[in-house]
Amino acid sequence: EAGVAQSPRYKIIEKRQSVAFWCNPISGHATLYWYQQILGQGPKLLIQFQNNGVVDDSQLPKDRFSAERLKGVDSTLKIQPAKLEDSAVYLCACWGGVGGQQGHETTDTQYFGPGTRLTVL
Amino acid sequence: GNSVTQMEGPVTLSEEAFLTINCTYTATGYPSLFWYVQYPGEGLQLLLKATKADDKGSNKGFEATYRKETTSFHLEKGSVQVSDSAVYFCALSGRGAQKLVFGQGTRLTINP
Repeated sequence: EAGVAQSPRYKIIEKRQSVAFWCNPISGHATLYWYQQILGQGPKLLIQFQNNGVVDDSQLPKDRFSAERLKGVDSTLKIQPAKLEDSAVYLCACWGGVGGQQGHETTDTQYFGPGTRLTVL
Repeated sequence: GNSVTQMEGPVTLSEEAFLTINCTYTATGYPSLFWYVQYPGEGLQLLLKATKADDKGSNKGFEATYRKETTSFHLEKGSVQVSDSAVYFCALSGRGAQKLVFGQGTRLTINP
């Protein structure tokens, strides 16, 4: 099966400019995640979608970041205006497994795209 | 909340050396545990996983055992190769579609 597609792979912008990233998950995977990976750190969740609805956006800086997943397929993450500290790799991931109850082995694997490396000058 | 702590890197070894990268976690309930690997210039790839206590995940000669009593999921390999040079991330998630919580990553360099 095709993997998770992301574009662009690299983006350089100046602070206060806006930028958008695109993700196309694996076909049929209902859950989509955007993670931010700052250099030297592990990825941190920004937002999680289930189909086209938001499940968790508690860590998304909503004053500047926005995301949407129209029609429950591909997704766009936007930053407006960008700050220096937004320089990071933005990872899209998807999950197609079935949710389960505690004690039952139902957890599946999240598949990651190659990421978009953003540099804010 | 849930958290993952990895041994600090970077780690540098000679080829054919034994590898251990420590990982401990804090979580409520019964999380699933993962090791992801990021090769230079590439995206995150799942290396192995374990979904319940005492399970052992294995792949490409790497192994990790889910130890609930010590809340650990240490990564081991008996004989590393130059091609194993990468950044390794320990992670956990709750059941179902829950987000992954990652450790800070450990950069591994293998010298020939």
